[in-house]
Amino acid sequence: QKEVEQNSGPLSVPEGAIASLNCTYSDRGSQSFFWYRQYSGKSPELIMSIYSNGDKEDGRFTAQLNKASQYVSLLIRDSQPSDSATYLCAARNSGYALNFGKGTSLLVTP
Amino acid sequence: SQTIHQWPATLVQPVGSPLSLECTVEGTSNPNLYWYRQAAGRGLQLLFYSVGIGQISSEVPQNLSASRPQDRQFILSSKKLLLSDSGFYLCAYAWALNTGELFFGEGSRLTVL
Repeated sequence: QKEVEQNSGPLSVPEGAIASLNCTYSDRGSQSFFWYRQYSGKSPELIMSIYSNGDKEDGRFTAQLNKASQYVSLLIRDSQPSDSATYLCAARNSGYALNFGKGTSLLVTP
Repeated sequence: SQTIHQWPATLVQPVGSPLSLECTVEGTSNPNLYWYRQAAGRGLQLLFYSVGIGQISSEVPQNLSASRPQDRQFILSSKKLLLSDSGFYLCAYAWALNTGELFFGEGSRLTVL
């Protein structure tokens, strides 16, 4: 069973703090990894993709990948109330399907 | 730029009734198209994907079917809905089949009673 695991949360952080979202995956054949943000009642939107070990930064977002530990994380710096959403981690192997986690709910409090 | 539309946005259907959800993409040709379902308490599940007109691949056996009658149109259907078909149905497109960078439509929320 190819699984992507995330803590469901909610993860609560104060405005301006760093939010750290974590994800583990079981399929060692996974090659690429993605973070999607989903506001309540809305469809997911892609915010980050990462393909190799290390860090990838895009604005306030940093994705981190450690293939040896099968671990992916997303850091959100200077968190804003508008960042409150569910964050979905996804992994893709050589096939056509993305394996999604169930998501972590993030709440940024003013 | 590419846009993707789904309808209807919300529907409530009785068990045993048929279903038709439609998805269209604008601003691109020959897109790779996907149908996902997000059920309560579960992650996004890939149902079908299509690389071209009339080409449909199923990931999960169930009472749903998909069709692609035109290049930028993708339809999800059922002849008889089950309670377990309730969920948030999402159409998505990608510029390549082997990418995880998906762009989702607005979604169709189905409740089967």
